[in-house]
Amino acid sequence: QQQVKQSPQSLIVQKGGISIINCAYENTAFDYFPWYQQFPGKGPALLIAIRPDVSEKKEGRFTISFNKSAKQFSLHIMDSQPGDSATYFCAASIPQGGSEKLVFGKGTKLTVNP
Amino acid sequence: EPEVTQTPSHQVTQMGQEVILRCVPISNHLYFYWYRQILGQKVEFLVSFYNNEISEKSEIFDDQFSVERPDGSNFTLKIRSTKLEDSAMYFCASSPLRGAHGYTFGSGTRLTVV
Repeated sequence: QQQVKQSPQSLIVQKGGISIINCAYENTAFDYFPWYQQFPGKGPALLIAIRPDVSEKKEGRFTISFNKSAKQFSLHIMDSQPGDSATYFCAASIPQGGSEKLVFGKGTKLTVNP
Repeated sequence: EPEVTQTPSHQVTQMGQEVILRCVPISNHLYFYWYRQILGQKVEFLVSFYNNEISEKSEIFDDQFSVERPDGSNFTLKIRSTKLEDSAMYFCASSPLRGAHGYTFGSGTRLTVV
């Protein structure tokens, strides 16, 4: 099952608050889990990523929590800022043929109010 | 910072016409990809390309689609006879190695089929 389920579809947070986006997967062949940030009219830009042998990764205000047994991972944005307003996609990478394919979640539109 | 460059940024074409979307991947990258994103939906894998041949393609990538690396720098996606449902953002991506951690996406070409 090559799907990644993402929730919520949209999220509104006050400036300074914590934004939490959740994703779940089924296929244990996924070997890399990136999060992408996308602004309108732009391509997805890598935000932070994690491998399944690590339970947490933090980069600045962004943290990925990874639960391998539950097949779930989440993005936490601390001290959310209006500039963080964007669509966030979780993804999972799977070896396919001679390359690597990304399977994306449906995205979460984050709005951070001033 | 190196970029993946896509042209044009927006293309409008009539149903049944052929279109070629162009991409200049990052110069030392070896793996090349096309993804598409129908408005408001998730990003979907189309095709991966390595060593001058297709590594993997999705069920979306039917006989109407083809990819080519005509010289050392360009990577193109051709849609032979466009349909209304081909309207989407098309993203090119490249990576230096097989793993997804090096993926860089371009800003996309918005294709509108009328």
